[in-house]
Amino acid sequence: EPEVTQTPSHQVTQMGQEVILRCVPISNHLYFYWYRQILGQKVEFLVSFYNNEISEKSEIFDDQFSVERPDGSNFTLKIRSTKLEDSAMYFCASARQYSYEQYFGPGTRLTVT
Amino acid sequence: GIQVEQSPPDLILQEGANSTLRCNFSDSVNNLQWFHQNPWGQLINLFYIPSGTKQNGRLSATTVATERYSLLYISSSQTTDSGVYFCAVEGGGGYQKVTFGTGTKLQVIP
Repeated sequence: EPEVTQTPSHQVTQMGQEVILRCVPISNHLYFYWYRQILGQKVEFLVSFYNNEISEKSEIFDDQFSVERPDGSNFTLKIRSTKLEDSAMYFCASARQYSYEQYFGPGTRLTVT
Repeated sequence: GIQVEQSPPDLILQEGANSTLRCNFSDSVNNLQWFHQNPWGQLINLFYIPSGTKQNGRLSATTVATERYSLLYISSSQTTDSGVYFCAVEGGGGYQKVTFGTGTKLQVIP
């Protein structure tokens, strides 16, 4: 069964550095999402992406964040200048057209020191 | 936005016992999913169930959309069932964000 994949599984970075989290959605899916989960808390929506543009974003998704689909398979989340509070698990998800069901990747654990 | 509440927040079961987890939501939904977050933090998709009843092995789920709740049943629990169970809903007009509940933390003891 096709799966959403994410790399790396764990990333450690220093405060102020830029990070790029990568996702490969399921190949025939058209809707893409990023979520984050701070340790011990619930999963929070960051951004949704369709037809090469952002369709919705939360208040968390400020100017430090950006998303891109650089080619036909990857979907990336960039954090320009990381802060300690960006430490969290980041999940990518995708959905096919005409379906509301979202398929989640295994997550990338980001640790900012 | 839509509110999602789960109960109980914590649950301890003896191995072999049955349990029911509840998810209440504040508005009509297009999508309701149940997830199990394992000890490594991975989200495992259990059910996509905006309405009706589904079963998968020892797990089953029922959503009564008109009354805005969903139930997840775990029968004959095993230690591997431990983790956090999340309900997540999408209630917008399109393919929008999913809102997660706060979860039920389940511990199954031998």
